[in-house]
Formats: sequence, C-alpha cells, structure tokens
Amino acid sequence: AQSVTQPDIHITVSEGASLELRCNYSYGATPYLFWYVQSPGQGLQLLLKYFSGDTLVQGIKGFEAEFKRSQSSFNLRKPSVHWSDAAEYFCAVTRNGNKLVFGAGTILRVKS
Amino acid sequence: EADIYQTPRYLVIGTGKKITLECSQTMGHDKMYWYQQDPGMELHLIHYSYGVNSTEKGDLSSESTVSRIRTEHFPLTLESARPSHTSQYLCASKDRRNTEAFFGQGTRLTVV
Repeated sequence: AQSVTQPDIHITVSEGASLELRCNYSYGATPYLFWYVQSPGQGLQLLLKYFSGDTLVQGIKGFEAEFKRSQSSFNLRKPSVHWSDAAEYFCAVTRNGNKLVFGAGTILRVKS
Repeated sequence: EADIYQTPRYLVIGTGKKITLECSQTMGHDKMYWYQQDPGMELHLIHYSYGVNSTEKGDLSSESTVSRIRTEHFPLTLESARPSHTSQYLCASKDRRNTEAFFGQGTRLTVV
C-alpha cells in the first residue's frame, strides 16, 4: 500500500530564511506527487505537482519541489520564507490519479 | 479559483442527532471525495464517487454514508452523531484526467 511520510511535525524558521519540508513516499512505481497548503480553518490549496519530466517543479507562492527517485522523496523548498507562509503543508501521492494518500502534515511557524 | 463549496463551515450538535454535510461543485467533475481530518493528523479518505450513482468506501472505516444523485452534489450523512465523530470533514473533486483535486473549505463538526 502507498504511504507518505513527513518526518517533521513542526518546523520553525525565521522570516527571510530558506525552507525545506521533507516528504518520502513508499510505492513501487513513480506515483503522481503533490504538495498542498492548508491555512487555519481553510481547505487545501495545491502548491505544485509532479507527474513526469523535469524533476524540479515550480509552484505558486515561490515554492518548488524536487523529485528524487533514488530517495523516494519529494521535498518542498522555498528560498526566502514570508510570515504569510505560516500554515500546515501536506505531501500527497496517488498511483492512478484516483485516490490521494496524504502525509500527516508539517506545521510551519515563521518567526519575525 | 476552485468552485467547491461545503456547508456548514462549523457545526456543534448533540449526540444522537442526524446530520448531513453538504458538498457541491460547479466544475462538472466526475470524481468526488470525502476526507476526515483530525488535528495534527493526515487526511483519511472515507468515501469517494466516480460519477452519478457510484459511491465507494474509502480507506478509513466510517459510520457515515454518502449519495451521488447529481454530478455536482455529494452529501455526507451521519444517522446518529456521536462524540467520536468530532472532526473536520473535507470534500474534494477532480475531473477524469490526472489533474489536481480541488478542496472545499471543510466542515468542522463537534458532537457534544
């Protein structure tokens, strides 16, 4: 069965600092990969997705993610974090585009 | 911007009451999903539908039921609410291609 691991429950970074959120998945083939962001009391918003091709994908709000097949990872990065980036971030995978499997999420706190 | 709506946003209800959480989308998507999300936990798929008159149970067992009489509407019903049903319920939809899922803002349910 597919599974998604986000090893960091909470991360705190200073405003302006770089950010990397980790995501590892367990699946035999390359699944479709997603990063979503959830602000308090809101639904999930898609940041970026990887289906195939270039392993470095660009998303909204200045985020990017790199797919590394050898490490079964899809880490999310941002070079300079803004206070408005404070939210919870979810990595998700799907094998066939039907059902999404989510990680437990990483709560990002930004200190000024 | 996603056109998927959930009502109510917040609901506090007594044990034993019957409730229906509404989810509607205006994008003509065939596939719709219900996820349950507890604080600090990953989203768990509880129901999904690939089209009208099609409903399936998800990966997490749930006492709720769903129906899909119209493409745009995917309500979730609890016949007799219990405190263990307290959670956030997120509805999502996607089209038949392997593109992103759009999420509603969620219903935060509290059963007292």
